[in-house]
Amino acid sequence: RKEVEQDPGPFNVPEGATVAFNCTYSNSASQSFFWYRQDCRKEPKLLMSVYSSGNEDGRFTAQLNRASQYISLLIRDSKLSDSATYLCVVTPSSNTGKLIFGQGTTLQVKP
Amino acid sequence: ETGVTQTPRHLVMGMTNKKSLKCEQHLGHNAMYWYKQSAKKPLELMFVYNFKEQTENNSVPSRFSPECPNSSHLFLHLHTLQPEDSALYLCASSHLTSGAPYEQYFGPGTRLTVT
Repeated sequence: RKEVEQDPGPFNVPEGATVAFNCTYSNSASQSFFWYRQDCRKEPKLLMSVYSSGNEDGRFTAQLNRASQYISLLIRDSKLSDSATYLCVVTPSSNTGKLIFGQGTTLQVKP
Repeated sequence: ETGVTQTPRHLVMGMTNKKSLKCEQHLGHNAMYWYKQSAKKPLELMFVYNFKEQTENNSVPSRFSPECPNSSHLFLHLHTLQPEDSALYLCASSHLTSGAPYEQYFGPGTRLTVT
C-alpha cells in the first residue's frame, strides 16, 4: 500500500467551479500534513499546511481527519491560474525533515 | 526566485560518465535535501543533510554520492548511472530547528537523461 495515496485525475473543471481533492495516508503516527502545488515543469511550492481544526486561506480550505487518515483540499471559484498538480504531503512521526509525497492530483481549469 | 539554485538545469550523460549536480541555498536554512521525481511517480526523498551531517539515506544506490561541504551547498555526484535513473532531481532546503520545520523550498531541478 502506498504511504500517501491520491487520485491522479486529471480533474477538468470550468472557471468558477468548486473542486475538492482527497488524500489518504497509511501511517497513523504521521505528525504534519501539507498541500504543495507543482506547476508544469516547475518545482513544488508549499500551498498550505493542514491543521486538525481545518484551515482556510482565501479560496482554499484544507481539512484533516486523523481517525480516517484522510486529508482534503477544497478550491472555490476556480481560476485558470489554479491549473497545476496538487501534492498531498505527510511527515512521519520523527522530526527529521522527511516529507512523504503523494503522486499528485492534476487540476485543469477551463475557460 | 533565487532562494534555491541548481546547476545544471539539463544534463545528458552516458552510462560510463561521471558528473555532479550542484545546489545552493541563499535562505539561511540548516537542512538540505535531494529528491528524485520520475514520470508518473511521487517525489522520492534520496538524502537529508542537517547541519552538514547526513541524517537520512533512503536506500539510494551507491552510484549516487551526496556531498554537503556546508549548510548552503549540496552536491550529488553521479557515476555509472542506468537509463532508469533519468528523472528530474530536485534540491530543497528548510529550517529544522525553528519556525515551520517542514516548509521546504525547492530549487528548479536538474533534468537528467542517461543514454
